[in-house]
Amino acid sequence: DARVTQTPRHKVTEMGQEVTMRCQPILGHNTVFWYRQTMMQGLELLAYFRNRAPLDDSGMPKDRFSAEMPDATLATLKIQPSEPRDSAVYFCASGLVIAGGTGNTIYFGEGSWLTVV
Amino acid sequence: KQEVTQIPAALSVPEGENLVLNCSFTDSAIYNLQWFRQDPGKGLTSLLLIQSSQREQTSGRLNASLDKSSGRSTLYIAASQPGDSATYLCAVTHNQGGKLIFGQGTELSVKP
Repeated sequence: DARVTQTPRHKVTEMGQEVTMRCQPILGHNTVFWYRQTMMQGLELLAYFRNRAPLDDSGMPKDRFSAEMPDATLATLKIQPSEPRDSAVYFCASGLVIAGGTGNTIYFGEGSWLTVV
Repeated sequence: KQEVTQIPAALSVPEGENLVLNCSFTDSAIYNLQWFRQDPGKGLTSLLLIQSSQREQTSGRLNASLDKSSGRSTLYIAASQPGDSATYLCAVTHNQGGKLIFGQGTELSVKP
């Protein structure tokens, strides 16, 4: 049963610490998204990649957040330094986009629940 | 800038009732629209995807319609069950494989 895997599932950290979240997309998927979910803002796109190349990271605070895909099986989202306002659920999602195709169901991981105190 | 709105924010119904969830979007130039389900503490599960050229999609007791010109979609759930209790989110994209823009969701509770 193919699924998007995220680690850690839960993280509590102190303000100022570095946080790294990891995502293993579904094998063969060429598009990876990072979303953040909060009660106030709902789901917001932070960044997304196609074939490991960043396509849009306009939703990500560049001074403290960074997103990378070291290889096709791993995406990372790093926050340094973390702040209490970063407390949220961070979702990774993946999909397969084929040129000329007709639709792209997106599959979400179960999220990384981050609390910064 | 695309804005997606879902009404109502919360809905409680007795088991067996048919119900409709609403989604509206301000920019009708969408590529597709998806409905997702989110259970507490879980990720999102895609329920139905409608291409911009389509009017509706069906899966079991679920039927989603799309009226692109008016910027509206509805998710119809027939014969609701307690297991349908979850938050339902709609999302639009503007190009193939593009980013999803989400509504705030409708929290559905189906009472036995």
